[in-house]
Amino acid sequence: KAGVTQTPRYLIKTRGQQVTLSCSPISGHRSVSWYQQTPGQGLQFLFEYFSETQRNKGNFPGRFSGRQFSNSRSEMNVSTLELGDSALYLCASSPSGYGINQPQHFGDGTRLSIL
Amino acid sequence: DQQVKQNSPSLSVQEGRISILNCDYTNSMFDYFLWYKKYPAEGPTFLISISSIKDKNEDGRFTVFLNKSAKHLSLHIVPSQPGDSAVYFCAASGQGGSEKLVFGKGTKLTVNP
Repeated sequence: KAGVTQTPRYLIKTRGQQVTLSCSPISGHRSVSWYQQTPGQGLQFLFEYFSETQRNKGNFPGRFSGRQFSNSRSEMNVSTLELGDSALYLCASSPSGYGINQPQHFGDGTRLSIL
Repeated sequence: DQQVKQNSPSLSVQEGRISILNCDYTNSMFDYFLWYKKYPAEGPTFLISISSIKDKNEDGRFTVFLNKSAKHLSLHIVPSQPGDSAVYFCAASGQGGSEKLVFGKGTKLTVNP
């Protein structure tokens, strides 16, 4: 069974630009969550999508946005990039029944570097 | 405000011995706890989880213990193997939804041959 796939693996951008990251969940998984990992803050929750709707949101500015398509694939967009946005962005998927505890499974991430 | 804390940044054990990784949490609404292992340049890999209605869950060499009154959980790895060397993250979620995980900052485990 294929795992969570994130593209691209590495990305270099400059301040002020915008970026779009892509995530394909495990087949059959309908929930997709995004996390940011930095050395100082660790892994922090960005947002979660289920059935093309944002269901949960973390404490990040509006420059961070996302969407989910009908096939459960998700994209994350960051506009007006800042140096502090340099991080590993991780996507995770789960089967999703809300209220049912089940583990999320992570992709290998996109390493975003801002120059 | 760090709701999930892993107070030991690193741990070193000998191959074959027990590894014990600890995690404390402050939010009493958390009801589902997970451990992930992470190698460099890879995403976190799910290891084991426990619901707040249990105090122990085992899966092969991995056992997670939950002490709700102390808001503490631990991961035991027995016996430890060099391939277990990685960063281990504790995570928690609450209120019936496991899609918003709160992570600790991780403990780097080194298992020496």
